[in-house]
Amino acid sequence: AQKVTQAQTEISVVEKEDVTLDCVYETRDTTYYLFWYKQPPSGELVFLIRRNSFDEQNEISGRYSWNFQKSTSSFNFTITASQVVDSAVYFCALRNSGYSTLTFGKGTMLLVSP
Amino acid sequence: ETGVTQTPRHLVMGMTNKKSLKCEQHLGHNAMYWYKQSAKKPLELMFVYSLEERVENNSVPSRFSPECPNSSHLFLHLHTLQPEDSALYLCASSQAPGTAFYEQYFGPGTRLTVT
Repeated sequence: AQKVTQAQTEISVVEKEDVTLDCVYETRDTTYYLFWYKQPPSGELVFLIRRNSFDEQNEISGRYSWNFQKSTSSFNFTITASQVVDSAVYFCALRNSGYSTLTFGKGTMLLVSP
Repeated sequence: ETGVTQTPRHLVMGMTNKKSLKCEQHLGHNAMYWYKQSAKKPLELMFVYSLEERVENNSVPSRFSPECPNSSHLFLHLHTLQPEDSALYLCASSQAPGTAFYEQYFGPGTRLTVT
């Protein structure tokens, strides 16, 4: 069975603060894929990143960075210098190789105030 | 139109009504999905179609009936729904399952309220 845990239900920060969203996953497969999605108030889930289990290199994209650590089964997401437009619900998800099903965490609501 | 579109964006229906949700993808994908998102619950996968064939059905009540006439269109037919079916219904598309790397791209969702 696979499982994704996002322990932080809601985080509130002030603009320009850095914030890290935690994601811990469980899977028995050795090959799997991890994802982060952003869901703004409009409702659409926006794909942010995919990470393959065999590639532990961390990634940075502008103000976004991701820290993948297989040893702790974590795939954390950091937003540097947060902005009001970052306010959204963020979902971490897991998919095993060859399967269509994405297992989502319950999401973390991020509120960035001016 | 680009990406994944869904209509209607909002729907209010009585328990005895019949309605349909429509999803269209403009990404050249060949797999499509229906998800249900209820308040304070993880996203629930309802149906998966790959190359217009249903490949997964996660114990969804028969009052939800999917239809995939081609790789670009997906419908969810609704009849005799219950108030607990009120939720955001999200459609997604991707390359076919089994492709080594793929992401699912989501539409904006249909907010359904059953009265």
